Amino acid sequence: SAVISQKPSRDICQRGTSLTIQCQVDSQVTMMFWYRQQPGQSLTLIATANQGSEATYESGFVIDKFPISRPNLTFSTLTVSNMSPEDSSIYLCSVYGTGLNTEAFFGQGTRLTVV
Amino acid sequence: LAKTTQPISMDSYEGQEVNITCSHNNIATNDYITWYQQFPSQGPRFIIQGYKTKVTNEVASLFIPADRKSSTLSLPRVSLSDTAVYYCLVGGLSSGSARQLTFGSGTQLTVLP
Repeated sequence: SAVISQKPSRDICQRGTSLTIQCQVDSQVTMMFWYRQQPGQSLTLIATANQGSEATYESGFVIDKFPISRPNLTFSTLTVSNMSPEDSSIYLCSVYGTGLNTEAFFGQGTRLTVV
Repeated sequence: LAKTTQPISMDSYEGQEVNITCSHNNIATNDYITWYQQFPSQGPRFIIQGYKTKVTNEVASLFIPADRKSSTLSLPRVSLSDTAVYYCLVGGLSSGSARQLTFGSGTQLTVLP
């Protein structure tokens, strides 16, 4: 299993500002995943963060808007830049546990409200 | 990645068995079927995973027919605390290589007293 801690758990931000979300895992993992969950919606993958290389972004998400850092095998940050009310969502990080299956573990999420 | 289709919502009463079916017609040979549960203000939580036939754990059972084009999550004797969104995902065996998960729309299960 893996235990994931996300900070902050929630925040209210002014439009035009940026927020950096931290994700800490209790074990070393190769990849970390960042998801967005808009109100009442399912999860959408933003990007995959690899240690030592640039993140891989999904269609509709760009590095300038969602820069990601992955300085080591247990930590990653996602920044939501130049925020607008449309960025109000829950942002979650995720990792896979060890073993030969696709069981993933998620942080509790960061609830972002942009006003 | 194979697309999944599930009912948008289901209602049940406490103590009943709930079965949620997921269609995944394009499942690949090495794909596993995994179900997650999500409560409000929390990240998804793994429930059960299977490849074929039947899998059972302390929380649920997963039934997968021979053609693997669908699967059914069975929750025995649900309680109010089982009210949540349930996601069916289909993906490949990681084999040490992490792979992204693609979430479908999920099924909102509401358990009534």
